[in-house]
Amino acid sequence: SYVLTQPPSVSVAPGQTARISCGGANIGRKSVSWYQQRPGQAPILVIYYHGGRPSGIPERFSGSNSGNTASLTIIRVEAGDEADYYCQVWDTDSAHRVFGGGTKLTVL
Amino acid sequence: QEQLVESGGGVVQPGTSLRLSCAASGFAFASSSMDWVRQAPGKGLYWVAFISRDGGIKSYDDSVKGRFTISRDNSKNTLFLEMSSLRLEDSAIYYCARDGEGDSLDYWGQGTLVTVSS
Repeated sequence: SYVLTQPPSVSVAPGQTARISCGGANIGRKSVSWYQQRPGQAPILVIYYHGGRPSGIPERFSGSNSGNTASLTIIRVEAGDEADYYCQVWDTDSAHRVFGGGTKLTVL
Repeated sequence: QEQLVESGGGVVQPGTSLRLSCAASGFAFASSSMDWVRQAPGKGLYWVAFISRDGGIKSYDDSVKGRFTISRDNSKNTLFLEMSSLRLEDSAIYYCARDGEGDSLDYWGQGTLVTVSS
């Protein structure tokens, strides 16, 4: 089965840039989505397809995807960005949706 | 305003059954594929099941295949998850979500908590 690997945690100071990676075999050939989940809340979609942002998601959030690694980048990080972030793909071989293990973003 | 509202969660014993519902509003439910995703306490997101717009295509995670059944009633804008032979490890918040562009899940409900305990 397809596996997505994320670092458990990333820490960044306010105003700096956070990058969260998501590794998977040939993930560059897949459409990657990213979700933000604040404590006690449902996940929300922040990036889809090749860097698309849903309405209401700040331009500070962007996505990239190539080779075996996809990344979520958040520039000018704010305290409110502190949350868990999950990457996700649809694995066509198994017809299964796959989530990464999640990354806790801490704003120092 | 798109909205998904789950219900049906509760505390049940191992081996029993439970039916979750997800009421959709604010969008064309019959034109949307749907999923169930769960999250055990303190753990990450895990996909459970998918159903196509007309219900003709279904897919399940291996851990629930044969025990859970996803279905929908497009006339009532409602998604279901029938869970049987429940195990302790099925304890989680269960979210329903709408399939969006690029294989994403663009709208999520607030979840319903299922606790399997003896």
